[in-house]
Amino acid sequence: EVQLVESGGGLVKPGGSLRLSCAASGFTFSNAWMSWVRQAPGKGLEWVGRIKSKTDGGTTDYAAPVKGRFTISRDDSKNTLYLQMNSLKTDDTAVYYCVTLRKWELLFFYWGQGTLVTVSS
Amino acid sequence: EIVLTQSPGTLSLSPGERATLSCRASQSVSSSSLAWYQQKPGQAPRLLIYGASSRATGIPDRFSGSGSGTDFTLTISRLEPADCAVYYCQQYGSSPPTFGQGTKVEIK
Repeated sequence: EVQLVESGGGLVKPGGSLRLSCAASGFTFSNAWMSWVRQAPGKGLEWVGRIKSKTDGGTTDYAAPVKGRFTISRDDSKNTLYLQMNSLKTDDTAVYYCVTLRKWELLFFYWGQGTLVTVSS
Repeated sequence: EIVLTQSPGTLSLSPGERATLSCRASQSVSSSSLAWYQQKPGQAPRLLIYGASSRATGIPDRFSGSGSGTDFTLTISRLEPADCAVYYCQQYGSSPPTFGQGTKVEIK
């Protein structure tokens, strides 16, 4: 059974940083393409970014609102996905979901339960 | 980027009725790369339909998707109380992937 467990959310001040983690199990993580999707309170879904598997190049892509501020990385030895968030803004307040992708497509298959990030002074 | 517009905003129906949800794209979605997700209150979204009409693993055949180009439909036949949720469409034919704003299905 695929399991994705996010952690690291919390309250942070505008301009601050936070790193989210996603522990994966139930599938071969090193072969997986992974993504982060966020949802502001009471709002819809917004793609944050993607990372390919290392065998497929390991490259990353980001949505325009977070490009240059957020970084996605992975540690295949720990089956863990990360999202480093810098220069946080109040608009970044959301539940952040870790999601598996179908290779070569931005189709979101399995979702974690999410972790809440609140950016507020 | 492709903008997806879902209608109606809220659908209120009785158990056993058929629900028809619409998703319209601002430009053609390539290769029918259109998915539908279900999100119940307090839960993460769940993939229902991909490729416009293919059901994801474990999804009952009461859920069906159709459409191509710019107009897509999710149909839930024989509504059950457990179908109470917000349903989102998403296109993945071009980057960035985008979601519709959601349709809330209420059961009377």
